[in-house]
Amino acid sequence: EVQLVESGGGLVQPGRSLKLSCAASGFTFSNYGMAWVRQAPTKGLEWVATISYDGSSTYYRDSVKGRFTISRDNAKSTLYLQMDSLRSEDTATYYCARQGLDHYFDYWGQGVMVTVSS
Amino acid sequence: DIQMTQSPSLLSASVGDRVTLSCKASQSIYNSLAWYQQKLGEAPKLLIYDANSLQTGIPSRFSGSGSGTDYTLTISSLQPEDVATYFCQKYYSGWTFGGGTKLELK
Repeated sequence: EVQLVESGGGLVQPGRSLKLSCAASGFTFSNYGMAWVRQAPTKGLEWVATISYDGSSTYYRDSVKGRFTISRDNAKSTLYLQMDSLRSEDTATYYCARQGLDHYFDYWGQGVMVTVSS
Repeated sequence: DIQMTQSPSLLSASVGDRVTLSCKASQSIYNSLAWYQQKLGEAPKLLIYDANSLQTGIPSRFSGSGSGTDYTLTISSLQPEDVATYFCQKYYSGWTFGGGTKLELK
């Protein structure tokens, strides 16, 4: 059974940093691209970042470029999102998701809440 | 950037109704379209990919159709457990979600 479990969320002040983790199990992690998707309270879904199966390629939405870094450790089957210079508009539930062969998101974690506030 | 527009934003229907949700891209996305269901307090779940392929384990009352810029998710006979918000997403030339359609029971 595919499982994705996020951790690392919490309350952080504007301008500070936070690192999210997503522990994967039930599939060969190193064979799949992975992504982070967020959802602000009562809002829709917003793609944040994607990393290729081997970590060689990364992609970001414009609003997080230069502030967020997606990475992975295939030996630990874990995905990460380093978030720096956080802003109030980054407040959201962050989901990690596995990307199927055609890059849609076929499995999702339960999500972790990030609140940016002073 | 390719924009994704869903309509309606809110849909009320009765159990047993045939329900149709629309998703329109600002330019062709060549069937690179997925549909997700998100129930209150839960993570999204993949229903349909490649515009019309049913994800494993999803009931056959869900179906997808369309091409080019216009796509549709159809629920052939609405069930109470289908109450949720539905999002379309394109994965051609990047990843963008539509704003969602909230489906409620009448």
